[in-house]
Amino acid sequence: GESVGLHLPTLSVQEGDNSIINCAYSNSASDYFIWYKQESGKGPQFIIDIRSNMDKRQGQRVTVLLNKTVKHLSLQIAATQPGDSAVYFCAESSGGADGLTFGKGTHLIIQP
Amino acid sequence: DSGVTQTPKHLITATGQRVTLRCSPRSGDLSVYWYQQSLDQGLQFLIQYYNGEERAKGNILERFSAQQFPDLHSELNLSSLELGDSALYFCASRYGGAMNTGELFFGEGSRLTVL
Repeated sequence: GESVGLHLPTLSVQEGDNSIINCAYSNSASDYFIWYKQESGKGPQFIIDIRSNMDKRQGQRVTVLLNKTVKHLSLQIAATQPGDSAVYFCAESSGGADGLTFGKGTHLIIQP
Repeated sequence: DSGVTQTPKHLITATGQRVTLRCSPRSGDLSVYWYQQSLDQGLQFLIQYYNGEERAKGNILERFSAQQFPDLHSELNLSSLELGDSALYFCASRYGGAMNTGELFFGEGSRLTVL
């Protein structure tokens, strides 16, 4: 089975509200995590990453939180905009050469 | 624009046929990764090449093969195609060989439809 998963396949939020997308992982050896955004018809696009020696990292309007105790990762998007509509994937790596292991994704829908 | 180029963007073929998908990585990137994305699945890692050599294998079928050429572009060959092979195939690249830091840069994908 997959080592990374997301709790909800679809998340609907009001424009302007904050969004929180959750992800659980099972590989305790994972030490690097990335959030990707995939818009319809496009390839995944990097949003933010975090290493296991950190528990929080902030970007522009986005924050990633890592809880290694419960193997949980979340992506917070502040003041959600229509352009944030996409499928969001978390991915993890244990440092090997086999790329990233992706979860199935959460579709974020922005309500006007 | 990620700098990763994939061709063709769309491909429709019949069962039993063979196709080749092409990927040009970002300038300077040595690693190329291939992923498959089906409707009900996330991104499934297929195979990785680093500087011309196979580095890691994921869930790649025996009917599929890939290679990376001296100019670092890569091709994914899919043969004896089945209906279930219909999917988006993504190529991604990065400079290094180990995935411990830094992002993968993805192309726009090749959508394969097998009829």
